[in-house]
Amino acid sequence: QKEVEQDPGPLSVPEGAIVSLNCTYSNSAFQYFMWYRQYSRKGPELLMYTYSSGNKEDGRFTAQVDKSSKYISLFIRDSQPSDSATYLCAMTPLDTNAGKSTFGDGTTLTVKP
Amino acid sequence: DAGVTQSPTHLIKTRGQQVTLRCSPKSGHDTVSWYQQALGQGPQFIFQYYEEEERQRGNFPDRFSGHQFPNYSSELNVNALLLGDSALYLCASSLKGAGNTGELFFGEGSRLTVL
Repeated sequence: QKEVEQDPGPLSVPEGAIVSLNCTYSNSAFQYFMWYRQYSRKGPELLMYTYSSGNKEDGRFTAQVDKSSKYISLFIRDSQPSDSATYLCAMTPLDTNAGKSTFGDGTTLTVKP
Repeated sequence: DAGVTQSPTHLIKTRGQQVTLRCSPKSGHDTVSWYQQALGQGPQFIFQYYEEEERQRGNFPDRFSGHQFPNYSSELNVNALLLGDSALYLCASSLKGAGNTGELFFGEGSRLTVL
């Protein structure tokens, strides 16, 4: 079983919809939680990161972490066709530096005009 | 502000050959990590270099090796290529002194095809 599990999708929504992307994990040592966006044939781009439990909002994006349930979410409000991409969750323990992150396999999102 | 740059962007090799991939980190960053991303999967950590030494390593065989230069740029070498080594190889940079925020800045990758 993988340390990080992510709903594979694909997910297709109409423009303007609210999108919910989710990951579960098994390693309780994970303390930093990140969401990356990856367009086709490009490298991942960091969207948001959160330390420990709680919510973090940035524009149309909200990241939630529930460490008690080992569950993280990314919400996208008022989704746009430009949001169409693969979304990767990633996690890092506190006792290692930023390099060694564990990634989910990604959820592919399509936002239709 | 120069981001992470990788070269080459695409390359094709045959089984048994060797390949070298190159990476220049984001300006101001001192740590380089390499990841392998197979089609339809998330990136898998290969290893990380800081102060010209390998600091952490993922579950990859010794055929995968690397180097970091005094200017913080890095190389990834893969020997005795296998068909299963076909993937997108991603370089990510970070700043160790900034603490463990988990933030990585990725390049656009080198896509390796092994025939």
